[in-house]
Order: sequence, then C-alpha cells, then structure tokens
Amino acid sequence: QKEVEQNSGPLSVPEGAIASLNCTYSDRGSQSFFWYRQYSGKSPELIMSIYSNGDKEDGRFTAQLNKASQYVSLLIRDSQPSDSATYLCAASVSSGSARQLTFGSGTQLTVLP
Amino acid sequence: IAGITQAPTSQILAAGRRMTLRCTQDMRHNAMYWYRQDLGLGLRLIHYSNTAGTTGKGEVPDGYSVSRANTDDFPLTLASAVPSQTSVYFCASSATGTGARLNGYTFGSGTRLTVV
Repeated sequence: QKEVEQNSGPLSVPEGAIASLNCTYSDRGSQSFFWYRQYSGKSPELIMSIYSNGDKEDGRFTAQLNKASQYVSLLIRDSQPSDSATYLCAASVSSGSARQLTFGSGTQLTVLP
Repeated sequence: IAGITQAPTSQILAAGRRMTLRCTQDMRHNAMYWYRQDLGLGLRLIHYSNTAGTTGKGEVPDGYSVSRANTDDFPLTLASAVPSQTSVYFCASSATGTGARLNGYTFGSGTRLTVV
C-alpha cells in the first residue's frame, strides 16, 4: 500500500465551481503536508503547505488537515481553466534536521470553460 | 534567478552506456533529492543528501549512484543504463530545520531520459 493515496481522477469541474482534491496518508509520524501543482511537461510547483489541524486559506486555495483521520484535502474556489493540471499531495516525516517527502500519484484536474 | 538547474533537458541513451545527470542549486539549501516520475507511479525518491558529504538511499536506488562533494551540486549517475530507467528525472532541494518545515521542496525543470 502506497503511503500517500490520491484518487487519480480525472476530475472535471465547470469553470467557477469548487474543485475538491483528497489525499490520505498512512504514516502517523507525518508532520507537514504539501500540495503541488504540475502542468503537463513541467516540474511540480508548491501551492500550499499545512502543519496544524484545521483549514489554511491562501487566495482561492484552502488546505484542510485532519490528523486523526489522516486526511488532507485541497479546495480550489472559483476554478479557472488555468487550474487544469495534476495535483500532487505529499507528506513529510522529519528525521533529525532533515525532512523527506512522500508523494501520492497525483489527481488530474480539468476545469471546463 | 535563484533556483535549481538540471542538465541535460533531454537525452536518448543507448542501453549499457554510462550517464550523469547534473543538478546545481544556488539557494544554499542543505538537503537535495533525486526523484523519478513515471506515469501512474508518481514521484519516487531515488537518493537524497541531507547535507554536503552525506547521501542516503530512497525508495528506488538500484542502478543509480550519487555524490555530494559540496552544497550546490548533486549529480546522479547511471552506471550502465537499462530501458526500465526511461523516465523523467527531477532534482529538488530544501532548507532544513524546524523553521523550514512548511517550505517544501524546490524542483528543477527535469531531465527526460530515454534508454533504447
């Protein structure tokens, strides 16, 4: 079983709708969680990070963390066609002063005009 | 512009040949990583280095080696390439320490390698 699980999709939403991306993780020692966006043929870019239980908002993006349920989600409000990409969830476990990220396989999101 | 530079951008390599993928960062990050990305499998860690002079094995290290002679450079070597090593390779770096726990990784632009 992969340590970080995501629905591979594809997920399609109409322009202006809320896109909801979900992720579960198996290692209870995971401390920080990250959402990356990856356009086709490009490298992943960090869009959100979260450490504490609850919600964290940044513009149209909201990350939600529930450590008891080992669940992380990303909400994208007012979805735009430019949001169409693969979204990668990652969990971090600290080892001394360093951290290693384990990535999910990604969810492909398409926002339809 | 601060970031990570990877070279080459793409490469077609004959099986059995030796190849080194280059990675250089100018952010003075202590930690560096090599991932491969394959369709349906996501990003898988090959090797990592928490600081200059140290390296460690990730999830899929076989057939690859790394070195970390200084903070900025982290080359990945395929000693004798095989077709299953056809993939997109990403180098990444991160700051370390408690204060950096939400910083995530910065990725290079990737190297697309085809082994034939």
